[in-house]
Amino acid sequence: EPEVTQTPSHQVTQMGQEVILRCVPISNHLYFYWYRQILGQKVEFLVSFYNNEISEKSEIFDDQFSVERPDGSNFTLKIRSTKLEDSAMYFCASSDLAPVWAEAFFGQGTRLTVV
Amino acid sequence: ELKVEQNPLFLSMQEGKNYTIYCNYSTTSDRLYWYRQDPGKSLESLFVLLSNGAVKQEGRLMASLDTKARLSTLHITAAVHDLSATYFCAVAVPGGGSQGNLIFGKGTKLSVKP
Repeated sequence: EPEVTQTPSHQVTQMGQEVILRCVPISNHLYFYWYRQILGQKVEFLVSFYNNEISEKSEIFDDQFSVERPDGSNFTLKIRSTKLEDSAMYFCASSDLAPVWAEAFFGQGTRLTVV
Repeated sequence: ELKVEQNPLFLSMQEGKNYTIYCNYSTTSDRLYWYRQDPGKSLESLFVLLSNGAVKQEGRLMASLDTKARLSTLHITAAVHDLSATYFCAVAVPGGGSQGNLIFGKGTKLSVKP
């Protein structure tokens, strides 16, 4: 069964450092998303991406964040200068072209710990 | 601003019992999802509800949607230990061009005890 895969599963970084979280969406999907979940809290939408550009982004997705689809298969989330409060589980998701009824399939997540 | 509220946030129930989790949302939306999350794991899609009166069932779980009341329920029948997990409802932001902008509830942590 096709699945969304994310690497690494756990990333520890020092405050102020840049991190790149990687995702390989399901191959025939065209919409891509990043969500985050701070430990014990609800899942929050960060950004959606379609046709090589951002479709929507939340207030959380400020100038420190960027997304890219560099090679047609990977979908990355970059945090330029990490802060302690960026520590969370980051989930990548993808969905296909049918917007009304399609569901987003989530990856296993990358746990980011900023120290 | 769309807000999604789930209750209860914690639910401890005995095996064999029935219970209902509620999901209220504040503005009209055309899509509501239920997800399951096991500790340290990702989100597993359970149900997609698209229209008023929609009812879907999978095993011991049944989800329904009342768009007029802006309410969805997830009913658990004869609970078993394997159902222990956190259950999230998520509502699509109305009018959004991207279907992925979902507002999640805080989740209901379900613990089923023998």
